[in-house]
Amino acid sequence: DAKTTQPTSMDCAEGRAANLPCNHSTISGNEYVYWYRQIHSQGPQYIIHGLKNNETNEMASLIITEDRKSSTLILPHATLRDTAVYYCIVRGYGGTDKLIFGTGTRLQVFP
Amino acid sequence: SAVISQKPSRDICQRGTSLTIQCQVDSQVTMMFWYRQQPGQSLTLIATANQGSEATYESGFVIDKFPISRPNLTFSTLTVSNMSPEDSSIYLCSVESPRGRATSYEQYFGPGTRLTVT
Repeated sequence: DAKTTQPTSMDCAEGRAANLPCNHSTISGNEYVYWYRQIHSQGPQYIIHGLKNNETNEMASLIITEDRKSSTLILPHATLRDTAVYYCIVRGYGGTDKLIFGTGTRLQVFP
Repeated sequence: SAVISQKPSRDICQRGTSLTIQCQVDSQVTMMFWYRQQPGQSLTLIATANQGSEATYESGFVIDKFPISRPNLTFSTLTVSNMSPEDSSIYLCSVESPRGRATSYEQYFGPGTRLTVT
């Protein structure tokens, strides 16, 4: 699996958009970009994933650059409950590859 | 989505003993995973457990230390054997299921078992 690089930590004001970047310059053509988050003392939670098109769901938006070497997770209106560690993960096609976690970005949403 | 429960939720054990952690899923799944999360660290994959076959262990993890059972499509156990304080971690069960599209999968995680070894 391709490695990812994320900032160690970020802050965001409540109600503002949180933009979490991820670099995955060695991603291959059949690998997806997945985002998970882990709120303190809980198991990780799936947020969103994409291959090359931008994706949006009820939780977030995922913007993937045209060359697919980086992506940004956008939480449009961050709340205090979005404070968590966010993991960007690249994994292979069809779900047969393993989900390998890096160190993630610790997002702190403040009032 | 899949709902996963784990037992026990937490335990304090003495070194040299063993603990078996149970993972129950509310639907049938092919692939189950066991992760470890040491204090302040990210998640590390221990092994992949498919029903009807031997578990596949990641580098640094061995069957003698972490034996896994997968008797059916909704249940798995992980045993932490001959425990030492270094085994103090959160152990998480995870399952994979398709999400609509045939080529995209997501994993669901249990709440974890917090193990402290004294």
